Amino acid sequence: GNSVTQMEGPVTLSEEAFLTINCTYTATGYPSLFWYVQYPGEGLQLLLKATKADDKGSNKGFEATYRKETTSFHLEKGSVQVSDSAVYFCALSDHGNNRLAFGKGNQVVVIP
Amino acid sequence: GAGVSQSPSNKVTEKGKDVELRCDPISGHTALYWYRQRLGQGLEFLIYFQGNSAPDKSGLPSDRFSAERTGESVSTLTIQRTQQEDSAVYLCASSLELAGGTQYFGPGTRLLVL
Repeated sequence: GNSVTQMEGPVTLSEEAFLTINCTYTATGYPSLFWYVQYPGEGLQLLLKATKADDKGSNKGFEATYRKETTSFHLEKGSVQVSDSAVYFCALSDHGNNRLAFGKGNQVVVIP
Repeated sequence: GAGVSQSPSNKVTEKGKDVELRCDPISGHTALYWYRQRLGQGLEFLIYFQGNSAPDKSGLPSDRFSAERTGESVSTLTIQRTQQEDSAVYLCASSLELAGGTQYFGPGTRLLVL
């Protein structure tokens, strides 16, 4: 079945540091890939997505590239801000059934 | 509509009671989904509705869980004889189309079963 694996544990870093959150997936077909973000006290929001291999999704300075050869969709940002503190979820959608399969999420804390 | 709305935002109930959770999708969205997020976990798919097609119920964890949707509007998720392990945030999402469509999430209902 479809599954998403995110790196374990929270991520704590200083403002203006480089952020990477790893995400790998297992899917039977050719899924669409997503990063969702949950800011404190708010609902889940779509951050970016990519629908086919080699596509790059980008938004708010965040980027992720759909890598079919490594089944990965790692999230990166070159210079984080305190306002980026949130929980980040990687997810995939199999076109066959459209349900989203989520990773466990990573808490990101950015310290001034 | 402005976005997906859910009610109530919080619900505390006693073990064994039934609860009903409501979701109003974005107007015009044909697909509607329910997910559950338990503490420290990712989201688990429960059920989805697409237009007038039979819903995909394959994610429902037990027969105590059921959901209904009238046409392309409101959906209700019902949990009968609640158990403590049902405590979670229940999230609803809707999307414009089925295949690969971006899902937009509501704020969730936080359910606590005592």
